[in-house]
Amino acid sequence: ETGVTQSPTHLIKTRGQQVTLRCSSQSGHNTVSWYQQALGQGPQFIFQYYREEENGRGNFPPRFSGLQFPNYSSELNVNALELDDSALYLCASRMEGGTEAFFGQGTRLTVV
Amino acid sequence: GENVEQHPSTLSVQEGDSAVIKCTYSDSASNYFPWYKQELGKRPQLIIDIRSNVGEKKDQRIAVTLNKTAKHFSLHITETQPEDSAVYFCAASEDNAGNMLTFGGGTRLMVKP
Repeated sequence: ETGVTQSPTHLIKTRGQQVTLRCSSQSGHNTVSWYQQALGQGPQFIFQYYREEENGRGNFPPRFSGLQFPNYSSELNVNALELDDSALYLCASRMEGGTEAFFGQGTRLTVV
Repeated sequence: GENVEQHPSTLSVQEGDSAVIKCTYSDSASNYFPWYKQELGKRPQLIIDIRSNVGEKKDQRIAVTLNKTAKHFSLHITETQPEDSAVYFCAASEDNAGNMLTFGGGTRLMVKP
């Protein structure tokens, strides 16, 4: 196991609602990235946090936002959910000076 | 931004044969190229990576080659085994720290016993 855990495992939401997904990383993993993986596709980079500051963002609208906390946990928030937001959401964390990204098991979000 | 293309999308080989998966990238500034294996319902796991100052890297039955001039890199798996069956993703990053990975679309590898 990678020591990166995500919650919840599965989630069903209605279009227009808001959702918060959580990720808990290992101690010392001060970089966390979030990815969206649609069925049958590769993960797409959403954004990255380093020491509680966003330091990179992919091609996702502002309704995708995040937070990183001092205890190496982080959140992905999505407002005004759309049907196309249905996907597996993965977080990945790295330790200071490391290059390997350790992925969590993902949260499968279904928007109906 | 970076764009990574991966081929083939599916690959079926006989146990013991070799498998090759190819990726091309668009941004010449990319310099870190990891490969991930994702088994059904599981998280992606790093299997090998290569940096732009290296042309080839091997780890037992797995090797990766990089051609910076042509902007393509490949994964080679020799002596395939049924447990190699999974989806494989290539990725590229513009910094050596592995930040903000751009992934290819994935290759479903099936190894027939």
